[in-house]
Amino acid sequence: SYGLTQPPSVSVAPGKTASITCGGDNNRLRAVHWYQQKPGRAPILVIFYDSDRPSGIPERFSGSRSGNTATLTITRVEAGDEADYYCQVWDRGSNFYAFGTGTKVTVL
Amino acid sequence: EVQLLESGGGLVQPGGSLTLSCAASGFTFSVYWMSWVRQAPGKGLEWVANINQDGSEKSYVASVKGRFTISRDNAKNALHLQMNSLRADDTAVYYCARDWWAGDSHYFDHWGRGALVTVSS
Repeated sequence: SYGLTQPPSVSVAPGKTASITCGGDNNRLRAVHWYQQKPGRAPILVIFYDSDRPSGIPERFSGSRSGNTATLTITRVEAGDEADYYCQVWDRGSNFYAFGTGTKVTVL
Repeated sequence: EVQLLESGGGLVQPGGSLTLSCAASGFTFSVYWMSWVRQAPGKGLEWVANINQDGSEKSYVASVKGRFTISRDNAKNALHLQMNSLRADDTAVYYCARDWWAGDSHYFDHWGRGALVTVSS
């Protein structure tokens, strides 16, 4: 298996920037994908391959990866961004999909 | 518009069986990998199983190997998950997800609304 660690929670004021990190447990962190999940709803893909954005996702959402850590950044945060966010990787060696522990973003 | 609609969820006793189905529409189902992902109440996401385009390759998370079977019917645009020997810790919302494979990674670009499976006596 493969462990991905995220901070349990991030709080941010409207209009400010939220950053969510995703750390791998070894040096094999591969391409990272990010999902947003609002209460009672299915997840939606917001970033794939570290930094690509699906159509329909606002430019305020961006991603990056450096070494063993990936980061999802939300600029100009809005109340509607309040949700749980999960990172995900696929490990070729074990053909295993790993999700991060999840981060709850609260808009103050 | 891509749509994935799960069905078959419900309450089942420990040791029992249940089959989930996912009806796909709005895309060419037969050219995509598909996966099941679950989420226990109040918990995070957990990948359960995947299947390749023609059903010849299947993989499972260790905790369900030997108990769950993923399958697909490309003629009917349907994905299935046969779940046997169910345990209380299988209680979760089960999501059907379109699984995008680009040669070096997999990710889920569309998700269904989910089906709740409750294992309890």
